[in-house]
Amino acid sequence: EMQLVESGGAVVQPGGSLRLSCAASGFSFDDYAMHWVRQAPGKGLEWISVISWDGGRTYYADSVKGRFSVSRDNSKNSLYLQMNSLRLEDTAFYYCAKTTVGGYSDVSDIWGQGTMVTVSS
Amino acid sequence: QSALTQEASVSGTVGQKVTLSCTGSSNNIGSYAVGWYQQISHGAPKTVMFGNSLPSGIPDRFSGSKSGNTASLTISGLQPEDEADYYCSTWDYRLSGQVFGGGTKLTVL
Repeated sequence: EMQLVESGGAVVQPGGSLRLSCAASGFSFDDYAMHWVRQAPGKGLEWISVISWDGGRTYYADSVKGRFSVSRDNSKNSLYLQMNSLRLEDTAFYYCAKTTVGGYSDVSDIWGQGTMVTVSS
Repeated sequence: QSALTQEASVSGTVGQKVTLSCTGSSNNIGSYAVGWYQQISHGAPKTVMFGNSLPSGIPDRFSGSKSGNTASLTISGLQPEDEADYYCSTWDYRLSGQVFGGGTKLTVL
């Protein structure tokens, strides 16, 4: 069974940093680009970032560009999101998602259960 | 303001057929496959359609289509468990990123 499990969510102060992880299982992780998507309380889904299968290409939403960094370790079947200079508006559930066919422009078919990040003073 | 436009709310009775729409532009829907996601009570999203493909485990009363810059998700034979928020998404080559619709709240009467 294909599965994604996020971890690393926490309460952090504005300006702080946090690293989220996403552990993949049940599929060939290194064949697929991976997305990060977030959802603020009571709001809709917002795409954050995507990384190609080999980590060679990354793209970010304007709202996080320059502050967040996506990476992956295919030897560990793991995806990461390094979040720096956190703002109150970064408070959200963060989901990792597998692309359908593997390309960075593909939509998602498998989602994790999410991890909550709260930015608060 | 979302790059993709969805109805804020749609309702239907059990057994009815309902269609949700997702309108974008040639930069996104007109050029790439669209994904549809179901979210029940703010739980994790679940993909119910991508392109014209039905993910494993999704009932075949769900179907998807696209015409020009508008994609549609049709649910034939609406069931109470279909009540949820539905989001569409696709890639946008001008933005170099994925874009989502604002979501449609589907109510089963």
